[in-house]
Amino acid sequence: SQQGEEDPQALSIQEGENATMNCSYKTSINNLQWYRQNSGRGLVHLILIRSNEREKHSGRLRVTLDTSKKSSSLLITASRAADTASYFCATDHSGNTPLVFGKGTRLSVIA
Amino acid sequence: ETGVTQSPTHLIKTRGQQVTLRCSSQSGHNTVSWYQQALGQGPQFIFQYYREEENGRGNFPPRFSGLQFPNYSSELNVNALELDDSALYLCASSLGSQGHYEQYFGPGTRLTVT
Repeated sequence: SQQGEEDPQALSIQEGENATMNCSYKTSINNLQWYRQNSGRGLVHLILIRSNEREKHSGRLRVTLDTSKKSSSLLITASRAADTASYFCATDHSGNTPLVFGKGTRLSVIA
Repeated sequence: ETGVTQSPTHLIKTRGQQVTLRCSSQSGHNTVSWYQQALGQGPQFIFQYYREEENGRGNFPPRFSGLQFPNYSSELNVNALELDDSALYLCASSLGSQGHYEQYFGPGTRLTVT
């Protein structure tokens, strides 16, 4: 299966701490995207990183990509209670196939 | 909030029945993808429509079918419902069919099959 896998499955931290979640995949990618989902609602796009990029930033988000290890990480700095959600990575493997989503990391930020 | 809407929000059906779910895409988007998300899982790709044609299908049986209309809105139809079809159904629209486009998701339809 090409499905990405997030790690950990669940993460609980205190407000103000940093949260790091990881995504691994099995076959080469064109790009990797991170999405967020609140309470079983629709997903919201956070950031896209292309296969020739190693790091991207967006506000408090930092994404890294290591294509040699077939892995990516999402770092949320100075977390807030409102960051509580599930986070999914989605991989684009050939450009003409759909995004493949992992099972997600459930993040709980405790105030 | 994206500009993608889905209806209905919730639906309860009986095994063996048929259901139609609807999705209005974001303005300017010509591609709609449908996903099934079971509890605690990631979205699983059902199929994609690009300019009214099916443009890729995931590992779902033929009783899952769809349509895309000239205004790029879309329907997902499921026949002969099974208990395992209970899930959140998400549609997502995008500017194009390729994987480098950001997907704009609707809020989903929660389907319960009893």
